[in-house]
Amino acid sequence: GDSVTQMEGPVTLSEEAFLTINCTYTATGYPSLFWYVQYPGEGLQLLLKATKADDKGSNKGFEATYRKETTSFHLEKGSVQVSDSAVYFCALSDGPGGQFYFGTGTSLTVIP
Amino acid sequence: NAGVTQTPKFRILKIGQSMTLQCTQDMNHNYMYWYRQDPGMGLKLIYYSVGAGITDKGEVPNGYNVSRSTTEDFPLRLELAAPSQTSVYFCASNEGQGSYEQYFGPGTRLTVT
Repeated sequence: GDSVTQMEGPVTLSEEAFLTINCTYTATGYPSLFWYVQYPGEGLQLLLKATKADDKGSNKGFEATYRKETTSFHLEKGSVQVSDSAVYFCALSDGPGGQFYFGTGTSLTVIP
Repeated sequence: NAGVTQTPKFRILKIGQSMTLQCTQDMNHNYMYWYRQDPGMGLKLIYYSVGAGITDKGEVPNGYNVSRSTTEDFPLRLELAAPSQTSVYFCASNEGQGSYEQYFGPGTRLTVT
């Protein structure tokens, strides 16, 4: 079945460091891919998405490119801030039935 | 727009008690979902609905029931609560399948003792 595998955490970075969180997926069709962010005590919020191969999603300085050949959707940011501290979830939607599949989440802490 | 609202925010249940977690969305979304999130884990789908009157099981439906009598509401019922149901429960909605994002409620933190 469809699934998402993402990098284990936790990740701790200094402010202004480069961030990469790896995400790979398994899907039978042509899924849409998402990154969600969860701040402490809150629900998940959409960070960015890509709906087809080679699409790049971007938001708030974060980017991820849909790579069909490597079945990956890695999240990157060039310079993290303390306010980026949160848990990041990679997800896919395979369309039929509207089901979403989430990774286990990667906790990011950015220290000043 | 309120988006997706959930009540209560917190609840403590004794083993064997029952309760209903409420979820309402005001975006006229057909698709609605219930997830549970255990500490350090991702989200697991409990039940989902593709429209009023239609529900289906997700990955972890045992011990739960749902109904969808209106587009707006998607309550989750716990019968005979067990400690294994201690978790944070999130309701979400979605405009349609495929590329549409999911909108999440703030969650209900449930403890069963």
